[in-house]
Amino acid sequence: GAVVSQHPSWVICKSGTSVKIECRSLDFQATTMFWYRQFPKQSLMLMATSNEGSKATYEQGVEKDKFLINHASLTLSTLTVTSAHPEDSSFYICSARVRDMNTEAFFGQGTRLTVV
Amino acid sequence: GQNIDQPTEMTATEGAIVQINCTYQTSGFNGLFWYQQHAGEAPTFLSYNVLDGLEEKGRFSSFLSRSKGYSYLLLKELQMKDSASYLCAALDSNYQLIWGAGTKLIIKP
Repeated sequence: GAVVSQHPSWVICKSGTSVKIECRSLDFQATTMFWYRQFPKQSLMLMATSNEGSKATYEQGVEKDKFLINHASLTLSTLTVTSAHPEDSSFYICSARVRDMNTEAFFGQGTRLTVV
Repeated sequence: GQNIDQPTEMTATEGAIVQINCTYQTSGFNGLFWYQQHAGEAPTFLSYNVLDGLEEKGRFSSFLSRSKGYSYLLLKELQMKDSASYLCAALDSNYQLIWGAGTKLIIKP
């Protein structure tokens, strides 16, 4: 299958700082990328959907000014957690797919964020 | 609204067979996916069904009934490594993935 690379795999940051997570599709053009958050022992929670070249669509309850998503190219999307707090500590996962096709979503490896 | 239902947790015995059900209600339908997710890892693709019927892939099979809005994932000859969460996701008319909450499968020796 296609490869989606997510970086970093884990990060520890101080409360109040910002953290950027990158998601790259290595061998296909990802017209659509999804960002998920997963708390321990819970399912994936969709945070936002981004289509290349347009603004991301955020799910209800997700603060768009806190979780900045940029999808400037067909191979790269970034999620920036601004002014991180301990409650933002979670497992963040991106996935990418080709829009409007019956194809699977390919997942990045995930990023374990710990805010201290 | 759009909704996916699957059991929260199931327990099965090593070597046995288990069936994980999923029902969906979506605005249009363009197929159904099953993913496996081990704790702390990203989901991995298992299967995709868009036509009615059973698709077999080794120890794993997936079934779809579009008229009933129903799918199941069948796991045979269960191994301890099959302990994981299994996620069902439906593709709606806008090609958006609608995710179920996942079924945690516990395998006992």
